[in-house]
Amino acid sequence: KAGVTQTPRYLIKTRGQQVTLSCSPISGHRSVSWYQQTPGQGLQFLFEYFSETQRNKGNFPGRFSGRQFSNSRSEMNVSTLELGDSALYLCASSLAATNEKLFFGSGTQLSVL
Amino acid sequence: AQSVAQPEDQVNVAEGNPLTVKCTYSVSGNPYLFWYVQYPNRGLQFLLKYITGDNLVKGSYGFEAEFNKSQTSFHLKKPSALVSDSALYFCAGAADSNYQLIWGAGTKLIIKP
Repeated sequence: KAGVTQTPRYLIKTRGQQVTLSCSPISGHRSVSWYQQTPGQGLQFLFEYFSETQRNKGNFPGRFSGRQFSNSRSEMNVSTLELGDSALYLCASSLAATNEKLFFGSGTQLSVL
Repeated sequence: AQSVAQPEDQVNVAEGNPLTVKCTYSVSGNPYLFWYVQYPNRGLQFLLKYITGDNLVKGSYGFEAEFNKSQTSFHLKKPSALVSDSALYFCAGAADSNYQLIWGAGTKLIIKP
């Protein structure tokens, strides 16, 4: 069974640009959540989707958005990139809405220059 | 506000000695508690969880954790550390009302030969 797949693996953008990251969950998983990981701030929750509906949202500005498609694949978008958005973005999927076990992808390393 | 705390940024242990990585929580209702591990340049991996039942939970790679309701703690333990256990460890908790995970800041575990 394939794991959680995140694309691209690495991304370099400049300030002001926008970026879209993709996440394919494990087959059958309906919950997808996104995290931002930085050396200084640790693991910060962005948002969670379950069956195409956003269930929870973290404390990030409106520049960060996401969506989930009917096949459970998810995308997150960051508009008007800032230097501080440089981070590892992790996606995790879960079979159930209770999030009793998350499966993480390897992440997308975003560098904003 | 709900929170999960990992009071130690780093823990150093000699190979073969027992290890403990500390976690305390403040979660409403009946808490769901988790430990995840992140090896260098990889995504997070599930280690173990406490949902209900026996306070001592056994997980992957010989790790275990003890749920202590009176002390609101969920410390991760292993009787004999291996160099390969060196990694970043995250504790997480969720309330059984919305299942939104709250993450600790992470503890870097270094096992020295």
